[in-house]
Amino acid sequence: DSGVTQTPKHLITATGQRVTLRCSPRSGDLSVYWYQQSLDQGLQFLIQYYNGEERAKGNILERFSAQQFPDLHSELNLSSLELGDSALYFCASSEGTGDLHGYTFGSGTRLTVV
Amino acid sequence: DAKTTQPNSMESNEEEPVHLPCNHSTISGTDYIHWYRQLPSQGPEYVIHGLTSNVNNRMASLAIAEDRKSSTLILHRATLRDAAVYYCILRDGSLGRSNFGNEKLTFGTGTRLTIIP
Repeated sequence: DSGVTQTPKHLITATGQRVTLRCSPRSGDLSVYWYQQSLDQGLQFLIQYYNGEERAKGNILERFSAQQFPDLHSELNLSSLELGDSALYFCASSEGTGDLHGYTFGSGTRLTVV
Repeated sequence: DAKTTQPNSMESNEEEPVHLPCNHSTISGTDYIHWYRQLPSQGPEYVIHGLTSNVNNRMASLAIAEDRKSSTLILHRATLRDAAVYYCILRDGSLGRSNFGNEKLTFGTGTRLTIIP
């Protein structure tokens, strides 16, 4: 157990639907990062939150949104799902910069859009 | 983000040391060198990181060239469980408003390490 908890582990849904992925960071970590990993793209950074505020944005589609709550857990919302959104979604956390003990990743949510 | 170059794949025999190279010729003075690995069907796992000096931990050693333009991750005695994709990543450690949001890790394609029994 890495200390970062992602739920659900697997999700199967239809095109056009909306899903929410949840991440609880490691205790004491203030930063949460979301990544998408598809077979042909590798690990792509989506978005980062630090202590409730958006900190950095990567290649995140407009159909996707995220937030970090006061208890520091984060949710990634994916809407109007397309077949191409099928991927592994990873959440990572760090104390801030990640230079104390590195970044801790969760085991991911496997999303399948059918 | 400064770029890194790694071999696409490497093979090593079980119970022998493994040296995974990484070139980062455009590294800046504030870039930290991070190594992560990803085992099949798992999330990336932190291995080690450093700035200027060589670093050791229970998983591996990180040897950083004097000019910092390259580094080597050393697994002292490879096991089958070390078979994974290894990523060498530079992360800007400078502070200040102009670097706001630089904490993220940018993953490349990494080196796929195969361990031969």
